[in-house]
Amino acid sequence: ETGVTQSPTHLIKTRGQQVTLRCSSQSGHNTVSWYQQALGQGPQFIFQYYREEENGRGNFPPRFSGLQFPNYSSELNVNALELDDSALYLCASSLEGGHNQPQHFGDGTRLSIL
Amino acid sequence: QQQVKQSPQSLIVQKGGISIINCAYENTAFDYFPWYQQFPGKGPALLIAIRPDVSEKKEGRFTISFNKSAKQFSLHIMDSQPGDSATYFCAAPDYNQGGKLIFGQGTELSVKP
Repeated sequence: ETGVTQSPTHLIKTRGQQVTLRCSSQSGHNTVSWYQQALGQGPQFIFQYYREEENGRGNFPPRFSGLQFPNYSSELNVNALELDDSALYLCASSLEGGHNQPQHFGDGTRLSIL
Repeated sequence: QQQVKQSPQSLIVQKGGISIINCAYENTAFDYFPWYQQFPGKGPALLIAIRPDVSEKKEGRFTISFNKSAKQFSLHIMDSQPGDSATYFCAAPDYNQGGKLIFGQGTELSVKP
């Protein structure tokens, strides 16, 4: 059974640029949730994709957007990068919208904004 | 904004001792409360989880105790080992979106040999 994989592992961007992060869900999982984890903090929910539709969103601006593909992999896109976007971006996969279900995390993408 | 309050922020325990981490949550319509363990440079790994139809769940050296009326739950690590040194996060489901987890601030555990 393949776990959750994320790419790239590290990324350095400058303010104003755009970035795309990728996530492959665990085999059999149809739900992907994205979280942002600032240094020394717990993960913060960005949004969730279930069956290729956005299925819930946290307190993040519209410049954070995403996609889910038919194979349930997912992308997180961030436009107009700001210094405060520097963080570890995690994706977690689960079954059926994640309600009362285990969510399994990848090792994240470390994004640094200069 | 819904919150999960976790304490203590950091914890130092001697090898063989008991580590206890506490969490308090706000109202939720969902029933799944996980604990995650995170090592530096890694993502959070699911450690143990509980559904509130039981007051306690044990898996090896790890036990969750759950008090639904007080909206509190805790993680006990028995016979703590240096390999348990990591950051631990509790989480609770959002009131309206069960698939959205609200995480505590984390507890940095250090187990001294």
